[in-house]
Amino acid sequence: AIQLTQSPSSLSASVGDRVTITCRASQGISSALAWYQQKPGKAPKLLIYDASSLESGVPSRFSGSGSGTDFTLTISSLQPEDFATYYCQQFNNYLFTFGPGTKVDIK
Amino acid sequence: QVQLVESGGGVVQPGGSLRLSCAASGFTFSSYGMHWVRQAPGKGLEWVAFIRYDGSNKYYADSVKGRFTISRDNSKNTLYLQMNSLRAEDTAVYYCAKEGGAGPPYYYMDVWGKGTTVTVSS
Repeated sequence: AIQLTQSPSSLSASVGDRVTITCRASQGISSALAWYQQKPGKAPKLLIYDASSLESGVPSRFSGSGSGTDFTLTISSLQPEDFATYYCQQFNNYLFTFGPGTKVDIK
Repeated sequence: QVQLVESGGGVVQPGGSLRLSCAASGFTFSSYGMHWVRQAPGKGLEWVAFIRYDGSNKYYADSVKGRFTISRDNSKNTLYLQMNSLRAEDTAVYYCAKEGGAGPPYYYMDVWGKGTTVTVSS
């Protein structure tokens, strides 16, 4: 099964900072990667699919890039409502895998 | 609006059974595959099971294969998860989630319910 790793596992940042989170797959997955945001006590929310496509209604400060094994989620200017945990997710042979998550908190 | 509402969670003893339900509204339920995803306390997300839009194919994580069964009733717009032989490690919030598109399989999940809590404890 394909494994996903994320780095860093956590980070502290300030409002207005540019934040980049990395997701690495153990095998190539083309561009079949999604990113989700989850706030404490809430359900996950889809942000990005197909590595770089922005889900409807998601602010344009969120962007995704990458293909193959290396992917990034970038928040261009961190806002107070962006403090949350972020997960990447992939799919291969009908096995769906999430990364371990990256927690973004306030510096 | 598109909505998913889970129910059926609770406290159950190890070895016991529970059936979760997910009521869908605001979209053509019978056109979309559906997932169950769980999250143990303080842990990350774990995919549990997926069922195609017509129920023709079902897929499971290794951790639940042989113990859990995903099913759906398209006439009732409802998704189910039958959980048998429950273990302490099945304790989690269970979310249902909608496949991101209709037709060919879409791997991402674009709508999620709020979740229902399952606690396995004696």
